[in-house]
Amino acid sequence: EVQLLESEGGLQQPGGSLRVSCAASGFTFSSYAMSWVRQAPGKGLEWVSTISSNGGGTFYADSVKGRFTISRDNSKNTQYLQLNSLTPEDTAVYYCAKGRGWKMQDWSFDLWGRGTQVTVSS
Amino acid sequence: QSVLTQPPSVSGAPGQRVTVSCTGSSSNVGAGYAVHWYQHLRGTAPKLLIYEDYNRPSGVPDRFAGSKSGTSASLAITGLQAEDEADYYCQSYDSTLSSWVFGGGTKLTVL
Repeated sequence: EVQLLESEGGLQQPGGSLRVSCAASGFTFSSYAMSWVRQAPGKGLEWVSTISSNGGGTFYADSVKGRFTISRDNSKNTQYLQLNSLTPEDTAVYYCAKGRGWKMQDWSFDLWGRGTQVTVSS
Repeated sequence: QSVLTQPPSVSGAPGQRVTVSCTGSSSNVGAGYAVHWYQHLRGTAPKLLIYEDYNRPSGVPDRFAGSKSGTSASLAITGLQAEDEADYYCQSYDSTLSSWVFGGGTKLTVL
């Protein structure tokens, strides 16, 4: 079955760190760019980060640049998001998403996970 | 505040047609970057409805149609059904921000 499954998120204190992962199955993981998209409580979807198929290119939203790191292990069909220096504004459901398309700027997200809740609170 | 502007809500009766607009600028939609549309029920995985302006992925009914002109794009839903009640988001790329961007989302209510 084609699917993306995020690891469990959790509760962290402000300034803390957390790593979430996303396991892919049912497609050739190493052929596709992968992304993270989040949704804060009561808000819309927000693109967070994208990594190219071979991991050579990484891209970040300004809101997380310098604090979050995206990575992938194609041998394990898994991508990761390391979240550091967390603030309450990072509280959200984090979705893993598979990219589609030829031209980078025209990429869409054609397969999504069900999301994992990350809560930042003291 | 998203660079892609959507109406907060739209509504229609079963069987009717509704449209959801997505207004951008010369650094995103107007620059020719593709617009994509997603359907999202909170607590579930978002679903790609339309990619590259007007294309439907396999399995998406032809009741959903996308279009684009100038700095704006639209999603039209015909033959409204109760199951269409969800949030809808447009998405594109913005060259000024150098990032992929989503609209603020539109809540569709089927009356």
